[in-house]
Amino acid sequence: DIQMTQSPSSLSASVGDRVTITCRASQSIGRYLSWYQQKPGKAPKLLIYTASSLQSGVPSRFSGGGFGTDFTLTISSLQPEDFATYYCQQSHTTPPINFGQGTRLEIK
Amino acid sequence: QVQLVQSGAEVKKPGASVTVSCKASGYTFTDYYMHWVRQAPGQGLEWVGRINPNSGGTNYAQQFQGRVSMTRERSISTAYMELSRVTSDDTAVYYCARDRGIITMTTNDLDYWGQGTLVTVSS
Repeated sequence: DIQMTQSPSSLSASVGDRVTITCRASQSIGRYLSWYQQKPGKAPKLLIYTASSLQSGVPSRFSGGGFGTDFTLTISSLQPEDFATYYCQQSHTTPPINFGQGTRLEIK
Repeated sequence: QVQLVQSGAEVKKPGASVTVSCKASGYTFTDYYMHWVRQAPGQGLEWVGRINPNSGGTNYAQQFQGRVSMTRERSISTAYMELSRVTSDDTAVYYCARDRGIITMTTNDLDYWGQGTLVTVSS
């Protein structure tokens, strides 16, 4: 199975900050990488697919990049509603689908 | 609008089986794979498997092989996940989630999710 490793595991930031979360795959996955946002007690929400495509309805302050094994999720200017846990997921070699362990974004 | 509505919380004893349902609406049920993902308390997301609602074909994560069964009832646009011989390690919220791509071009990323079903395994 492909292993997905996110960093950092947790992050403190302030409203208005620019934040970047990274995700590394254990082998090349091309651009088959998605990002999800999850708030406490809620289902995950798809933000980004194929590394950089914004899901419909997602604000443009979210962006994704990368190819191969190294990927990023960037929030250009943090808003109060962005404090949540973020997961990456590979869809290159499936099944199975593999998720990263998550990055918890907290208010500083 | 696409909606996935799951069945309610379950409490099971170790060794029992549990079935969670997921009723789809707002799209053609047989046109998209349905996936199941679980999340243990305070933990990350774990893929359980997926079903092709048209053919009934399934793929399961290796760690659940032999214990999980995914089925569907096309007439009521509902998918089911049954997990047998449950232990306390199976205590989790179980989600159904729709594949973003149409069935002939599956993407294996998940664009619509159910609200989740808490399964608690306790003696």
